[in-house]
Amino acid sequence: SQQGEEDPQALSIQEGENATMNCSYKTSINNLQWYRQNSGRGLVHLILIRSNEREKHSGRLRVTLDTSKKSSSLLITASRAADTASYFCATSLFPMNRDDKIIFGKGTRLHILP
Amino acid sequence: DAGVIQSPRHEVTEMGQEVTLRCKPISGHNSLFWYRQTMMRGLELLIYFNNNVPIDDSGMPEDRFSAKMPNASFSTLKIQPSEPRDSAVYFCASSFRQVGTDTQYFGPGTRLTVL
Repeated sequence: SQQGEEDPQALSIQEGENATMNCSYKTSINNLQWYRQNSGRGLVHLILIRSNEREKHSGRLRVTLDTSKKSSSLLITASRAADTASYFCATSLFPMNRDDKIIFGKGTRLHILP
Repeated sequence: DAGVIQSPRHEVTEMGQEVTLRCKPISGHNSLFWYRQTMMRGLELLIYFNNNVPIDDSGMPEDRFSAKMPNASFSTLKIQPSEPRDSAVYFCASSFRQVGTDTQYFGPGTRLTVL
């Protein structure tokens, strides 16, 4: 079964607006990561938030984590055309041992309109 | 560092042919992952290695797929014989795994088309 699921599946907003994407998961996690994938490219790591953290910032990115609701959100402020991409959440299960794998969701396709 | 290197970037082959995809992970990383991405199924983990040892190959579709990691700097994913449904983008990723974190670095992918 899918561990992480992003919502919405697709999002179109005007340049300069804020974009919010959500990720829900089913079981307890050790940490949660967000990745970006530009068309035709590999995934690029954006940010990692641990299960004992509630919020984290990196430049125009803000990630929140609510372990009671098993959900995370990624906020991109002041969006730019270059933010057009697919965004994936990935979870590491708890407890995490050395051989565990991270599990990717299906992604949110974000399109920034000029 | 050059990042994860994959070759070839594009491969077009005919059904029944053998296909070999190659990956060079980032130096110093101890884990390597092979993924397949299609519009229908999204990103699927095929197999991953820790310290050159295959840990989980449950994602490998069938016996036509095999993967090896003979040393810390090289891995191959082989499909023999190939079928049109194998058409996808195949990504290799590497990481330095330690308990509590596993940030993966992806290669540019190999776009495979099986006619």
